[in-house]
Amino acid sequence: GQQVQQSPTSLVLQEGENAELQCNFSTSLNSMQWFYQRPGGSLVSVFYNPSGTKQSGRLTSTTVIKERRSSLHISSSQITDSGTYLCARLNNAGAKLTFGGGTRLTVRP
Amino acid sequence: DMKVTQMPRYLIKRMGENVLLECGQDMSHETMYWYRQDPGLGLQLIYISYDVDSNSEGDIPKGYRVSRKKREHFSLILDSAKTNQTSVYFCASSSPPTSNSDYTFGSGTRLLVI
Repeated sequence: GQQVQQSPTSLVLQEGENAELQCNFSTSLNSMQWFYQRPGGSLVSVFYNPSGTKQSGRLTSTTVIKERRSSLHISSSQITDSGTYLCARLNNAGAKLTFGGGTRLTVRP
Repeated sequence: DMKVTQMPRYLIKRMGENVLLECGQDMSHETMYWYRQDPGLGLQLIYISYDVDSNSEGDIPKGYRVSRKKREHFSLILDSAKTNQTSVYFCASSSPPTSNSDYTFGSGTRLLVI
């Protein structure tokens, strides 16, 4: 089975609504990252989040290492938030990323 | 701007042809990667390179090989392409230890094998 599982696989919101994206890891977690991918575009790192809570503008990431899970909260969603959000587990050496399948977010006006 | 550049952006090849995907980075990162992305599967690691001529298989290396003769350049080669290698290929680079979001991805190469 997949080491990194994301839910939901897709999400449609009205502009202004909040979103909660989940990431669960089947193996022990050392550290992880959240990435954002524009439609048809490259990946950009959103959070490097070994443990605890981090916030950047309308985005908040919370990672609980012992429970092997992480969440990404998007508040007051905007149309420009549309795209795919991917979480990834970093291996112990910190070099290799193992990705989840992603959550495709669509924000409508 | 620090960046990872991939060429070409789009490529159509016939089954059995050889394919060369090229990637360059201007950050002097030691570690470089090739991933492929397929719907619902996220990104899967094909190969990782720790420096010049220091390459290791990733999770799905079968059907691929790589070449890294200069630190700034990392190539992915498909000898005799297959239709199931149709995918979007991403190159990335990072500097060890990977931390604080220093992973940088290229814009991807869309490969169609017909």
